[in-house]
Amino acid sequence: QKEVEQNSGPLSVPEGAIASLNCTYSDRGSQSFFWYRQYSGKSPELIMSIYSNGDKEDGRFTAQLNKASQYVSLLIRDSQPSDSATYLCAVNPNSGNTPLVFGKGTRLSVIA
Amino acid sequence: DGGITQSPKYLFRKEGQNVTLSCEQNLNHDAMYWYRQDPGQGLRLIYYSQIVNDFQKGDIAEGYSVSREKKESFPLTVTSAQKNPTAFYLCASSIDGLSYEQYFGPGTRLTVT
Repeated sequence: QKEVEQNSGPLSVPEGAIASLNCTYSDRGSQSFFWYRQYSGKSPELIMSIYSNGDKEDGRFTAQLNKASQYVSLLIRDSQPSDSATYLCAVNPNSGNTPLVFGKGTRLSVIA
Repeated sequence: DGGITQSPKYLFRKEGQNVTLSCEQNLNHDAMYWYRQDPGQGLRLIYYSQIVNDFQKGDIAEGYSVSREKKESFPLTVTSAQKNPTAFYLCASSIDGLSYEQYFGPGTRLTVT
């Protein structure tokens, strides 16, 4: 059973701070990693994808991947109250013919 | 304007009735998926389809059925055999197979009483 683990939270950070969200995965051969944001009552929205070790930046978001340690993280700089949501990590299993495996998500609360 | 549509947004049914949830995409994506989400919980995969006329069971397929007669459409039927059907149902699609990022529709909130 391929697993993707996330701390359920809530993770509370003050406005303007850096929010750090972490995700670990069990399948060492995984190649594709995605972060989704889900506001309460809404559907998940893709915000970042990362495929290679290292950092990938997009605006205030940075995804970090470390395949050796089997973790992927999402940093949100200058956090805003509008960033308050649940963040889902998704991983493509190495088998190649199975769908993405989603973590249960981390709830982020940015306090004004 | 490309995207995934799900209808209706809210659906109410009496226990014992089958109900079909619609999912349509005009993104020309090959793969489509159905998930269920319960309050405060993660996504659970019900069924997925990589090509027309083919689909596979996910983790919680019991009590559900699907069809994929057209590339654009992947309807989900919640049957009376599903013991706890009240949930938020999400449809998603991906461009070219299972390893690619998925894009989600707005969801259908089903309430069965």
